[in-house]
Amino acid sequence: DAKTTQPNSMESNEEEPVHLPCNHSTISGTDYIHWYRQLPSQGPEYVIHGLTSNVNNRMASLAIAEDRKSSTLILHRATLRDAAVYYCILRDGSGAGSYQLTFGKGTKLSVIP
Amino acid sequence: EAQVTQNPRYLITVTGKKLTVTCSQNMNHEYMSWYRQDPGLGLRQIYYSMNVEVTDKGDVPEGYKVSRKEKRNFPLILESPSPNQTSLYFCASSTLGLGVNNEQFFGPGTRLTVL
Repeated sequence: DAKTTQPNSMESNEEEPVHLPCNHSTISGTDYIHWYRQLPSQGPEYVIHGLTSNVNNRMASLAIAEDRKSSTLILHRATLRDAAVYYCILRDGSGAGSYQLTFGKGTKLSVIP
Repeated sequence: EAQVTQNPRYLITVTGKKLTVTCSQNMNHEYMSWYRQDPGLGLRQIYYSMNVEVTDKGDVPEGYKVSRKEKRNFPLILESPSPNQTSLYFCASSTLGLGVNNEQFFGPGTRLTVL
């Protein structure tokens, strides 16, 4: 499986935008880029996913590099509730891949009031 | 409300005493899965199920059993728990379909301590 690389931790001030990077230089053409986050003492929750084009939803935006070897999760205005571990995960979209989510260590985001 | 529920949320037990952690989802999902989360090791898949009566091993199945007799339930069974199974356990579910855009929904977790 293609792997992802994320910084161990990041800090942001409350109400500032946050850009969480993810490198995935061995991504294949059928891999989707998924982001999940895990708030303290909770199970992981889906944030966003994309293939080639940038994506927006109510929680965040996903910016994907043209060569797809990296991506950035953007939280437009960080709140205290956004303090969590964010995981960047590649999933094979060809239909042949498994449904298993392979979690790395993720990025622990701290939000400073 | 769409959700995955797990019971119990916390459990302290002793080595060798059989236990079951229940998982139930109300979204009519075909796919269900169990993960364990340990410090420094992240989340690892234990078992998964693609539908009723269809289960398969994940990355760390040793010491665990599962069953899928009904679509909504996917219990995790530890026949003879050992201290190395002390962990935080998560159940997850999703729909099936072509491609893998299917969001997985996770339960709140069960913290198990085996003495």
